[in-house]
Amino acid sequence: GAVVSQHPSWVICKSGTSVKIECRSLDFQATTMFWYRQFPKQSLMLMATSNEGSKATYEQGVEKDKFLINHASLTLSTLTVTSAHPEDSSFYICSARDGGKPQHFGDGTRLSIL
Amino acid sequence: GENVEQHPSTLSVQEGDSAVIKCTYSDSASNYFPWYKQELGKRPQLIIDIRSNVGEKKDQRIAVTLNKTAKHFSLHITETQPEDSAVYFCAASPGGYQKVTFGTGTKLQVIP
Repeated sequence: GAVVSQHPSWVICKSGTSVKIECRSLDFQATTMFWYRQFPKQSLMLMATSNEGSKATYEQGVEKDKFLINHASLTLSTLTVTSAHPEDSSFYICSARDGGKPQHFGDGTRLSIL
Repeated sequence: GENVEQHPSTLSVQEGDSAVIKCTYSDSASNYFPWYKQELGKRPQLIIDIRSNVGEKKDQRIAVTLNKTAKHFSLHITETQPEDSAVYFCAASPGGYQKVTFGTGTKLQVIP
């Protein structure tokens, strides 16, 4: 149980393109979803927290107009990297949680901007 | 906000030996401490967690200890195996609906 599906797993696109990443909880209701960014050999840095039906809460230093988050249902959240540039290249991971239960992670999306 | 420090950053042990990873946290409100294992290019997976109402928890070869007074907690892996090689992250949270803050990670290498 507690499976989180994230896709795509790998994206390569040109600078200036917008990229959408989906995060789905397959067998539970995700009242809260988290989006992380992870650079090579580094820890997971929380970007934002989203609760179903409300606006995401962004961490300090994360541009909300750059990283658009939508959590329209209890099983789906999306992260859109708008007008992506090479410095946005990274490993993005979502996680989902039902209430106060432990969070479960997706497989991550490796984003490469050329 | 919460600050979680983790040591060591890298750890090499011989197969069969024990491995210990230590973390400290700053927010006395934190009462939930999960540990995650992440293999290269894969998702972090929850391997064990502990809440502040207990001082120790064990699951087969893995154990976690918590000292709330000193604000530190540790992961102990006994009889290590090559498949234990991965990056391990500790984390802390006030629990409930609060966010989890991760440590900087420990790369564990188990040498056959």
